[in-house]
Amino acid sequence: SQKIEQNSEALNIQEGKTATLTCNYTNYSPAYLQWYRQDPGRGPVFLLLIRENEKEKRKERLKVTFDTTLKQSLFHITASQPADSATYLCALETTDSWGKLQFGAGTQVVVTP
Amino acid sequence: DAGVIQSPRHEVTEMGQEVTLRCKPISGHDYLFWYRQTMMRGLELLIYFNNNVPIDDSGMPEDRFSAKMPNASFSTLKIQPSEPRDSAVYFCASSLEGGGDSPLHFGNGTRLTVT
Repeated sequence: SQKIEQNSEALNIQEGKTATLTCNYTNYSPAYLQWYRQDPGRGPVFLLLIRENEKEKRKERLKVTFDTTLKQSLFHITASQPADSATYLCALETTDSWGKLQFGAGTQVVVTP
Repeated sequence: DAGVIQSPRHEVTEMGQEVTLRCKPISGHDYLFWYRQTMMRGLELLIYFNNNVPIDDSGMPEDRFSAKMPNASFSTLKIQPSEPRDSAVYFCASSLEGGGDSPLHFGNGTRLTVT
């Protein structure tokens, strides 16, 4: 069965540093990978999308990489701020399940001043 | 744009009662998704619609769950009868197009507690 793994332990990081989150997957042939942010009591909010033929994508202080050989995506928050504190989820759609986005459990990031 | 609107925000009910959750997607979005989120299982896709037609309901846990989309601006998720294990946060999401290259826009969810 398809499986998505994100680090379940919270990532505690000092303001100004770079936070790096990992999304690993097994038994997938992903066509797309998305990253979302979720704040307590709110729904997930879309951040970035990367396609299988792309290696890297950037948006302001965010950067996503996608290594289909390692079956891994890395999500970076550079110059982190306390406002970046949230849970970050990766989501995959495989080429054989069009329309269905499966989410990882998410990694909580805590940025301290 | 007001985004995806869900109601109610909180629902507390007793086991055996019927529960109806409501969702208004973003205007012009052709796809609507219902997800359930728990600590144990994370976000799970229950069902999704395209142009008001259910496409995949393989995530619906049991016959106690049903979902409808009578028109492009409204969808319901019904649980009858409800059980304590149904306690979770239920999210509705919509997207402009289907497929993994179309971002999902989530509502803020309905927190359901079944006692």
